[in-house]
Amino acid sequence: GAGVSQTPSNKVTEKGKYVELRCDPISGHTALYWYRQSLGQGPEFLIYFQGTGAADDSGLPNDRFFAVRPEGSVSTLKIQRTERGDSAMYLCASSSPGAGIETQYFGPGTRLLVL
Amino acid sequence: AQKVTQAQTEISVVEKEDVTLDCVYETRDTTYYLFWYKQPPSGELVFLIRRNSFDEQNEISGRYSWNFQKSTSSFNFTITASQVVDSAVYFCALSEQNRGNEKLTFGTGTRLTIIP
Repeated sequence: GAGVSQTPSNKVTEKGKYVELRCDPISGHTALYWYRQSLGQGPEFLIYFQGTGAADDSGLPNDRFFAVRPEGSVSTLKIQRTERGDSAMYLCASSSPGAGIETQYFGPGTRLLVL
Repeated sequence: AQKVTQAQTEISVVEKEDVTLDCVYETRDTTYYLFWYKQPPSGELVFLIRRNSFDEQNEISGRYSWNFQKSTSSFNFTITASQVVDSAVYFCALSEQNRGNEKLTFGTGTRLTIIP
């Protein structure tokens, strides 16, 4: 089966613009996570969805960041009024429901560059 | 709060040598999972292994082996007979089950270079 897919693979935008990053999880995976990875660092948690609802958005850095998952499958991470500091790799992961902690499978990421 | 430390920023070894990547973690939970992921130059994180806190048995998978020791809060990863294809950044990660949110806390990674 297909893995997690993310589009676009690369996005270049200008400071102040709005961007949307898309994640298509593995079919049947109800849990979806967004992470942000800055250069030379490990990924950092942004937001977690269980089904359609954002169960934990404590990792979003500020109110310019927002994410949705309206039908419980595809998710979109939205960044308003982008800043140069938003430049990073944005990673999406999904996992299947289970009795314990499940393995998260990652997509190839979207590399965002804000000029 | 949970924390993962990978003290080795970069390691270089000659092909066919063995290499061990260190991982030390901190958590207050008694139930947690530890992971290793590989990130090749393409950028995609590739899952390697998951280990739960109740299973301290070491694991071997081909040239890869993992040593989990709760007494020292370590989960080290060894590659034997290294190959050039092993060159990548390796991340250790920790997950606690917190109200169903199994978010991963990653270390800063170890960049491994295998010299042919």
